Amino acid sequence: ETGVTQSPTHLIKTRGQQVTLRCSSQSGHNTVSWYQQALGQGPQFIFQYYREEENGRGNFPPRFSGLQFPNYSSELNVNALELDDSALYLCASSLGWLGTDTQYFGPGTRLTVL
Amino acid sequence: GQQVMQIPQYQHVQEGEDFTTYCNSSTTLSNIQWYKQRPGGHPVFLIQLVKSGEVKKQKRLTFQFGEAKKNSSLHITATQTTDVGTYFCAGTMNRDDKIIFGKGTRLHILP
Repeated sequence: ETGVTQSPTHLIKTRGQQVTLRCSSQSGHNTVSWYQQALGQGPQFIFQYYREEENGRGNFPPRFSGLQFPNYSSELNVNALELDDSALYLCASSLGWLGTDTQYFGPGTRLTVL
Repeated sequence: GQQVMQIPQYQHVQEGEDFTTYCNSSTTLSNIQWYKQRPGGHPVFLIQLVKSGEVKKQKRLTFQFGEAKKNSSLHITATQTTDVGTYFCAGTMNRDDKIIFGKGTRLHILP
């Protein structure tokens, strides 16, 4: 157990809808990162939040946005869902900067877009 | 663009045989991390390598970081059924930059 939780476990949406995914980081971890993992692929970095501010972003359009809260929880919001958004969405928390500290992944949210 | 390539994509080995997966980056890495993901699970951190030429061992697992900090390998000695899963390398180009995962090597153990 990593101490990182995500909700919901599974979600089904239709094209054009909006979705909010939630993550609860380990207590004391100031950094949360979100990833998209398509079937059979490695995780793709979406963005990172450090102390409630976005400070790194991968190649994802602006309809992917996020929030981080003082209580170590965070959200990933995706607007105008597309079929290709179907994937496992993972959050990972760490003490410090992305790529320099151990990342603890949550179990993920499986999103299906129909 | 920046890429992290991993080979092989799949590997089937007999239980007890050794296994190696290789990771290559198009640019110099500041560090590299290795993760294991069991089927239906999430990535679990294994180790981080930072120094040029660094070698680290965890029981039957040996991790290496190349002298040029552009490649890395994970070697498992005498595989066991519990080693089944996908092994990912993830490289960071510069401090505070994004982390790039390879596509992973899926290890299957034949009994």
